[in-house]
Amino acid sequence: EAGVTQSPTHLIKTRGQQATLRCSPISGHTSVYWYQQALGLGLQFLLWYDEGEERNRGNFPPRFSGRQFPNYSSELNVNALELEDSALYLCASILLTSGSYEQYFGPGTRLTVT
Amino acid sequence: AQKITQTQPGMFVQEKEAVTLDCTYDTSDQSYGLFWYKQPSSGEMIFLIYQGSYDEQNATEGRYSLNFQKARKSANLVISASQLGDSAMYFCAMRGGNGGNQFYFGTGTSLTVIP
Repeated sequence: EAGVTQSPTHLIKTRGQQATLRCSPISGHTSVYWYQQALGLGLQFLLWYDEGEERNRGNFPPRFSGRQFPNYSSELNVNALELEDSALYLCASILLTSGSYEQYFGPGTRLTVT
Repeated sequence: AQKITQTQPGMFVQEKEAVTLDCTYDTSDQSYGLFWYKQPSSGEMIFLIYQGSYDEQNATEGRYSLNFQKARKSANLVISASQLGDSAMYFCAMRGGNGGNQFYFGTGTSLTVIP
């Protein structure tokens, strides 16, 4: 069974540009969570999608947005990039109805803003 | 408010010794879950162990055990017989809030195993 995949692995952008990060969950998982991990810090919750709907978002400005597609893959968009957006962005998937609450994480996308 | 606190930014342990990583949590939920993840320098998050709030026995997974003290709201991770490959960041996390589908992470503990 394929795990959670994320693309690209690395992304370098300049301040003011837009970045698009992608995540494919484990087959059958309907929920996708996005986290930001700045250097040396823990995971900060960004967004939660389930069954195509945004269920909750963390304390981030509106320039962080995303969507979930009918096949449950997800996209995170960051507009008007700022230097402090440089971080590892992790995506995790879960099947909430399975009774198991383990999140399966992807390898992450390392975003660098210069 | 839901919160996870890890007070040990860095820990050192001798190879083959046991080590305890501390985690305390705050929640008003009756039903919640507690997790530990390992993050090596490569960045991927590896699930280690899970404890449900109603589980009466402490969870164990191989060399990992979770010392769950509900009244003290603590969920410490114990790693027995440490190995060099255990050197990594360790994150405590809690599932709760928003119908039990929200996850909260601590700031992590960096563990270094000394040969």
